Amino acid sequence: AQSVTQLDSQVPVFEEAPVELRCNYSSSVSVYLFWYVQYPNQGLQLLLKYLSGSTLVKGINGFEAEFNKSQTSFHLRKPSVHISDTAEYFCAVKEAAGNKLTFGGGTRVLVKP
Amino acid sequence: GAGVSQSPSNKVTEKGKDVELRCDPISGHTALYWYRQRLGQGLEFLIYFQGNSAPDKSGLPSDRFSAERTGESVSTLTIQRTQQEDSAVYLCASSLSMPPYEQYFGPGTRLTVT
Repeated sequence: AQSVTQLDSQVPVFEEAPVELRCNYSSSVSVYLFWYVQYPNQGLQLLLKYLSGSTLVKGINGFEAEFNKSQTSFHLRKPSVHISDTAEYFCAVKEAAGNKLTFGGGTRVLVKP
Repeated sequence: GAGVSQSPSNKVTEKGKDVELRCDPISGHTALYWYRQRLGQGLEFLIYFQGNSAPDKSGLPSDRFSAERTGESVSTLTIQRTQQEDSAVYLCASSLSMPPYEQYFGPGTRLTVT
């Protein structure tokens, strides 16, 4: 069975500063990787995904993530955050031959002016 | 086009009552999923539908939980004899059954059991 660990439950960051959200997973089979964002009182929105190919994946709103197979990580980064990036971010994995997503516990990002 | 919709958006019920939560997936999406999000936690998988069959029910927490789907359309999640620990946001998602496998989520139903 796969599992996902998001190492930071909360990340405070100043506006225009960079941010990195860490995600590690464990799985014995090939996986696909996803980052979702949940703005206050809203549903989940896909930020980016890794299925195959280049390990550096670019998503919406200036976010990017790098898949590292040897370290089983898929960390999310943004070089300069905005107040509007305040939200909760979820890392998720899906077995390549499976269906359901397994989510990490989430990282709450609070962008301060 | 229309996204995934869920109803009701909020539901308050008394302990012991039954509740039904509804999900309308994106048209053409053959796969449908239910997840539960407890306060301050990540999402837990409940059940997966492919068409109107449910090949994976492994996440349903007890036999008080059941779900059905009509063809490749609406799904209903039913919780019988609700307990306070059932309080959570119940999220529905749908996807195509081919790459890129992106799951599109609805806004959720917030269930409060008093």
